Parts: sequence; C-alpha cells; structure tokens
Amino acid sequence: DSGVTQTPKHLITATGQRVTLRCSPRSGDLSVYWYQQSLDQGLQFLIQYYNGEERAKGNILERFSAQQFPDLHSELNLSSLELGDSALYFCASSVSGSAYEQYFGPGTRLTVT
Amino acid sequence: AQKVTQAQTEISVVEKEDVTLDCVYETRDTTYYLFWYKQPPSGELVFLIRRNSFDEQNEISGRYSWNFQKSTSSFNFTITASQVVDSAVYFCALSEGDSNYQLIWGAGTKLIIKP
Repeated sequence: DSGVTQTPKHLITATGQRVTLRCSPRSGDLSVYWYQQSLDQGLQFLIQYYNGEERAKGNILERFSAQQFPDLHSELNLSSLELGDSALYFCASSVSGSAYEQYFGPGTRLTVT
Repeated sequence: AQKVTQAQTEISVVEKEDVTLDCVYETRDTTYYLFWYKQPPSGELVFLIRRNSFDEQNEISGRYSWNFQKSTSSFNFTITASQVVDSAVYFCALSEGDSNYQLIWGAGTKLIIKP
C-alpha cells in the first residue's frame, strides 16, 4: 500500500458526461501528479500540483482540468467525455516538487460507453 | 527531446532463470533521474528504484539489480533467479529538472515467468 488513495476505483459513464476523480496524497507529500494510461498511448503525464498551485502541464486536454485543495487532496475533472477517454487514471504524490520518487495510487478505471 | 525506449515488448522465461530488461534513454540535461516501476496484474504502479545522473554505481536489492551506464544511455534491470511473482509489466521512466520532474515513460516490458 503506497499510502495514496484514489476514488472511485471504477467508473462507467456515457459519452458527453462529466466525471470527477479524487486523489489523496501520502501524508506529508505536497506534490500531486496525474497520469493517464491507455492501450494506445501508454502512460502519459497530465498535470502536476505543488502545495495547491499548478506546477506543470503535460498532454492534458482542454476538456480536462484539475485542482489541489488546501488539505492537499486533488481532483481531476473530465468533461464532454469521448470513447477515447477510456483509460486508467493514476494519481501519484511525492514529498516535494523535485525529483523524489513518486508513489502511485491504485488508479481509477474509467470506461466511457 | 527526452525519450525512453524499452525495446523488449514481452519476455517469457522459465522460473529460476535470470532475465534482463533493457532501458535506453535520451536527454539533453546533465541532471536527470531514472526510475523503474513494476505494474503487476492487479494494476497498481509500484516504485522500485530511483537513480540520479551523477551516481553510476550499480545497485543491488535482493534478487534485483540495476546497471546504469551513461556512456550508452542505458539503465538496465536484472532479475536473478526469477519467480512467478515477478510476472508484471515493468516500466522505465526519466525525469529532468527543467520538466518539473514529471515522469517520461517507456512503453513497458511485459515479463512472463513460467513455473
């Protein structure tokens, strides 16, 4: 158990809908990262937050947004969902925004039908 | 641009054999970090090791060992006396200082250990 929690574990929704994925980092970790894992694209970095502020953006679509709250938990919002958004979404946390190892949550498997 | 290549898509060995997973990276930075993660069938990503670019010492942890060679831009992972529980997808990843330490991932190598 990495100490990173993600909810829900599974999510099935229809195209055009909006969903929110939630992540709680390990105790003491200030940085949260979101990744998407799909069969065709592999693992891709989406976005990073550090102590409530956006630190870096990767291949995140404009339909997706995220935030980190004062208690350091983070939410990833996915809207106008398309079939291609079906993937495993991971949250990871690390002690700081620098190159410490990232510990991953169990992931949320999103299926868009 | 930074890139991580894991050329072996799938490896299958019989239990107790040694197996090496290859990882080749590209970066322009002099300061960077290399990682290996394991993804068992249950799906979670498990951290195995982090290595910084200034430390070329090989690392051994039980049956696992890592060989970092800057001259060939490689960071290979060897499992000695493999076990069925080692079956998983293994990912190599790279992070650079100017990318705010986001991880750039290889495609992964699926390792199958047959009893």
